[in-house]
Amino acid sequence: DAGVIQSPRHEVTEMGQEVTLRCKPISGHDYLFWYRQTMMRGLELLIYFNNNVPIDDSGMPEDRFSAKMPNASFSTLKIQPSEPRDSAVYFCASSPPSTQNTEAFFGQGTRLTVV
Amino acid sequence: SQKIEQNSEALNIQEGKTATLTCNYTNYSPAYLQWYRQDPGRGPVFLLLIRENEKEKRKERLKVTFDTTLKQSLFHITASQPADSATYLCALRSGGYQKVTFGTGTKLQVIP
Repeated sequence: DAGVIQSPRHEVTEMGQEVTLRCKPISGHDYLFWYRQTMMRGLELLIYFNNNVPIDDSGMPEDRFSAKMPNASFSTLKIQPSEPRDSAVYFCASSPPSTQNTEAFFGQGTRLTVV
Repeated sequence: SQKIEQNSEALNIQEGKTATLTCNYTNYSPAYLQWYRQDPGRGPVFLLLIRENEKEKRKERLKVTFDTTLKQSLFHITASQPADSATYLCALRSGGYQKVTFGTGTKLQVIP
C-alpha cells in the first residue's frame, strides 16, 4: 500500500481565497483524522471520521473550516475564506478498525501558506 | 484543562549514550500512551504503544515506561545513533479510542 496520500504537498494562496486539501486514506482503514501542526500549538486534532461519518469536529477552529468524506477512499478539508493565521502544515492520518492496532498512519502533510 | 507536556528544549546527546525523553500529562486518564517519531518535512511515524495497565514496553533499542500515578511516561533510546536524531512526540488516547492528543514534541540531536 502507498500509505496515506495527501495533495497538494505545498499550497500558497492569497488571503480570502478558498483552499481545498485532499486525502486518500489507507485501504481498509475506517478512521480518518485531520490534524494541523504549528510551532506554537504543535499537532492539533481538527476532526475525525469513522466509516465516512464525522464523529468529533470540536477541534475545527472556525466556521471557515469544513471537512467531508464522501466515500471510504477520499476526504477533503476546505478553508474559506483563508487567512494568514491558517498557515500551517495540515496532516491527514488513518487508522484500522479499533479491534486492531490503534496506531495512526500519517500522510506527508500539506504545507499551507496564506499571504 | 487537559495538558500534555514535553520538554520543548532540544536534547543533545553523544552517540552511544542513552537518550531519555519525558512526557507529563495532567487532567487525563489515558487508556493508551503512544510515542511517535517525526523527521523534518514528514508526518509522524508510530513507534510504540503502552497501555495503562503496563509499566514498561520494549522494542529493540527503545523502551517506554508509563507511570499513571506520576502521570508520566519516559522514552529511552539506548546506544543512540545519529540516525535517531528527530522530534519525538508522545500522544494520549482520552475518551474513546479515536481521540488521540499529541504533545508538542522534543527534538533529539545525537552527536557523532
